Amino acid sequence: NAGVTQTPKFQVLKTGQSMTLQCAQDMNHEYMSWYRQDPGMGLRLIHYSVGAGITDQGEVPNGYNVSRSTTEDFPLRLLSAAPSQTSVYFCASSPRDRRQETQYFGPGTRLLVL
Amino acid sequence: KQEVTQIPAALSVPEGENLVLNCSFTDSAIYNLQWFRQDPGKGLTSLLLIQSSQREQTSGRLNASLDKSSGRSTLYIAASQPGDSATYLCAVSQGGKLIFGQGTELSVKP
Repeated sequence: NAGVTQTPKFQVLKTGQSMTLQCAQDMNHEYMSWYRQDPGMGLRLIHYSVGAGITDQGEVPNGYNVSRSTTEDFPLRLLSAAPSQTSVYFCASSPRDRRQETQYFGPGTRLLVL
Repeated sequence: KQEVTQIPAALSVPEGENLVLNCSFTDSAIYNLQWFRQDPGKGLTSLLLIQSSQREQTSGRLNASLDKSSGRSTLYIAASQPGDSATYLCAVSQGGKLIFGQGTELSVKP
């Protein structure tokens, strides 16, 4: 089991560029989500998905798109990068069973937007 | 809107001391509460999960309690070690979403 994997580990973008952060899990989890972590702000939810084909917005969705075509993958797209999107991005997954909702986190992607 | 607060923001203790980290939340309608550890530059590692019907969970030197009615949780670390130095985050779960506190940065001095 690889768990939750994220690529790339680190990325530098110029303002206005677009990119996709990849997230994959091999635990057959239904729930997947994206968080960003900023100093002094903690972790904040960007988007989440309760299953393939179903996504919803979190606390800070502006500037980001997601889709969930398979159970395994949940990519996060930055449409037009801005310096305010400089952050560390974490993907997480958890089983559908609310009694077992341990969240498993990926190692993170550090994004710098110049 | 659910809000999660952790006190203190930072804590420095000598090795061997027992310590308590605090977490409070404003909405008691949660599925569970999790405590995570985060080392500098790394991802989050789940330490303990307390389901909403439970009062406490234990793992080794760690004990976490949950009082839903008062909106409080504590993480007790016994006989602290320098390797325990990290940031500890609590998060409440509502429908697969986690709402995090800002963390307590723990430093255990040899």
